[in-house]
Amino acid sequence: EVQLLESGGGLVQPGGSLRLSCAASGFTFRTYAMSWVRQAPGKGLEWVSGIGSSGATTYYADSVKGRFTISRDNSNNTLFLQMNSLRAEDTAVYYCAKVTSYYCDSWGQGTQVTVSS
Amino acid sequence: DIQMTQSPSSLSASIGDRVTITCRASQSISRSLNWYQQKPGKAPTVLIYAASTLESGVPSRFSGSGSGTDFTLTITSLEPEDFATYYCQQSHSTLVYTFGQGTKLEIQ
Repeated sequence: EVQLLESGGGLVQPGGSLRLSCAASGFTFRTYAMSWVRQAPGKGLEWVSGIGSSGATTYYADSVKGRFTISRDNSNNTLFLQMNSLRAEDTAVYYCAKVTSYYCDSWGQGTQVTVSS
Repeated sequence: DIQMTQSPSSLSASIGDRVTITCRASQSISRSLNWYQQKPGKAPTVLIYAASTLESGVPSRFSGSGSGTDFTLTITSLEPEDFATYYCQQSHSTLVYTFGQGTKLEIQ
């Protein structure tokens, strides 16, 4: 059974940083691309970032480009999202998702990030 | 970037109704279009990928169609568990998989 478990969320002040993790199990992690998707309170889904299976290719939404960095550790089956220069509008539930055949077939339960002073 | 526009943004329907949700891409995306269902407080789940392929385990009352820029999700004979929010997502751009703004399906 595929499991994705996000962690690292919390309350942070504007301008601060957080590092999210997503621990994967139940599949061969190193062979799949992965993504981060977020959902602000009462809003829709927003694709944030994607990373290829080897980690060599990364992609970002314009709203986070230059502030967020996606990475992965295929030895430890873990996906990361380093978030710097956080803003109030980054407040959201952040989901990690496994990408297969160009769609997200498995999702974590999400981790809450709140940016507030 | 490719923009996705869903309509309507909300929809009221009754048990047993047939409903259709549309999604339009800002440029041709061939058949690189996925549909997700999300219930309150839960992560999304995929219903349909590649415009019309039903994900394993998804009831056959869900169907998708379209290509190019215009796509539809149809639910025939609504069941109580179908009341949720639905999102389209394009996967034409490599790992830049933008979503539509969502359609909330409510009980009439």
